[in-house]
Amino acid sequence: DAGVIQSPRHEVTEMGQEVTLRCKPISGHNSLFWYRQTMMRGLELLIYFNNNVPIDDSGMPEDRFSAKMPNASFSTLKIQPSEPRDSAVYFCASRPQGVNTEAFFGQGTRLTVV
Amino acid sequence: GENVEQHPSTLSVQEGDSAVIKCTYSDSASNYFPWYKQELGKRPQLIIDIRSNVGEKKDQRIAVTLNKTAKHFSLHITETQPEDSAVYFCAASDSGNQFYFGTGTSLTVIP
Repeated sequence: DAGVIQSPRHEVTEMGQEVTLRCKPISGHNSLFWYRQTMMRGLELLIYFNNNVPIDDSGMPEDRFSAKMPNASFSTLKIQPSEPRDSAVYFCASRPQGVNTEAFFGQGTRLTVV
Repeated sequence: GENVEQHPSTLSVQEGDSAVIKCTYSDSASNYFPWYKQELGKRPQLIIDIRSNVGEKKDQRIAVTLNKTAKHFSLHITETQPEDSAVYFCAASDSGNQFYFGTGTSLTVIP
């Protein structure tokens, strides 16, 4: 298995533009997480899906952020419009069914909004 | 929801010395406590984990202890080496399947 796959690896965009980050979880994993990592705030949980259904989106900063999981093998995190303070590394992670199991991270997407 | 606190935020040790990182959590329902290591520019990766029915677990130079009564758990690295330099994250998870991470500890091992 190739692991959790994220794209793009790097994204540079201008303020006000729409940004879409993509994630393919490990096959068979039923939980998917989106995290944002910055020096100041560490790893923040943005949203968590279980069996493609959003369970907890309380970490989504504001209405400019939205996430979808149309099927078990794909998820997107969209920022519209983007702002410079959204610059961060965004990680997707997936986890198999059952408690007490490891979460596997993707390589991350480094987003820079100028 | 769960609140995980991690200390210290930075830690420097001489090569060969031990390093200890401590975390506390708030939700008594949490029952799974993994530790992740993140090297510069890379993804976090699991190095060791402990479940609530165990008080201590070792894997070579790494050990984790858990005190459920006090709601705290710790990572111990013995005989540190320069390649141990990284950011370490603790996390807590309950049966609801969510992961809550601490704010991370930047460990530097000085040769």
